[in-house]
Amino acid sequence: KAGVTQTPRYLIKTRGQQVTLSCSPISGHRSVSWYQQTPGQGLQFLFEYFSETQRNKGNFPGRFSGRQFSNSRSEMNVSTLELGDSALYLCASSLRGAGTEAFFGQGTRLTVV
Amino acid sequence: QKEVEQDPGPLSVPEGAIVSLNCTYSNSAFQYFMWYRQYSRKGPELLMYTYSSGNKEDGRFTAQVDKSSKYISLFIRDSQPSDSATYLCAMSPNQAGTALIFGKGTTLSVSS
Repeated sequence: KAGVTQTPRYLIKTRGQQVTLSCSPISGHRSVSWYQQTPGQGLQFLFEYFSETQRNKGNFPGRFSGRQFSNSRSEMNVSTLELGDSALYLCASSLRGAGTEAFFGQGTRLTVV
Repeated sequence: QKEVEQDPGPLSVPEGAIVSLNCTYSNSAFQYFMWYRQYSRKGPELLMYTYSSGNKEDGRFTAQVDKSSKYISLFIRDSQPSDSATYLCAMSPNQAGTALIFGKGTTLSVSS
């Protein structure tokens, strides 16, 4: 059974640009959550999508947005990038919801210069 | 007070030792508890999943939840150099409508 696939693995962007990250969940999983991981703050929840609807949102500015497609694949977008957005962005796939067993992808390492 | 507290370590042990990793939490509503292992430059890997209180064993790993003390533990028996990684605890009150709340992680180093 294929795991969670995130693309791209690495990105370097300039301040002010925007970026789109992609996540393909485990087959049959309808819940996709996104987390930001930094050395200082650890893993912080961004948002969860379930059956194409945003079900929960963390405490991040509106520059962070996402969507989910009918095949459960999800994208995350960050507009007007800031240096502080440099982080590992992780996607998690779950059968029942973001609060239970979640399986993570390898992450996208975003560097903003 | 943070919702989930985890000693960052680092924790260094010799091969074959029993390792004890712990987290404390403040939210009594938490009832789903997980332990993840994360190698450098990789995503977290789910090791153990426990609902409510009690113990769960899987090979060399044992997870314990004590809801009365708001304390969870992960024990690793016969530790191996390949166990060297960061261990993250995570918990939540519900399956849906909430997200996992993570500890900051404990870095473990097992020397041969």
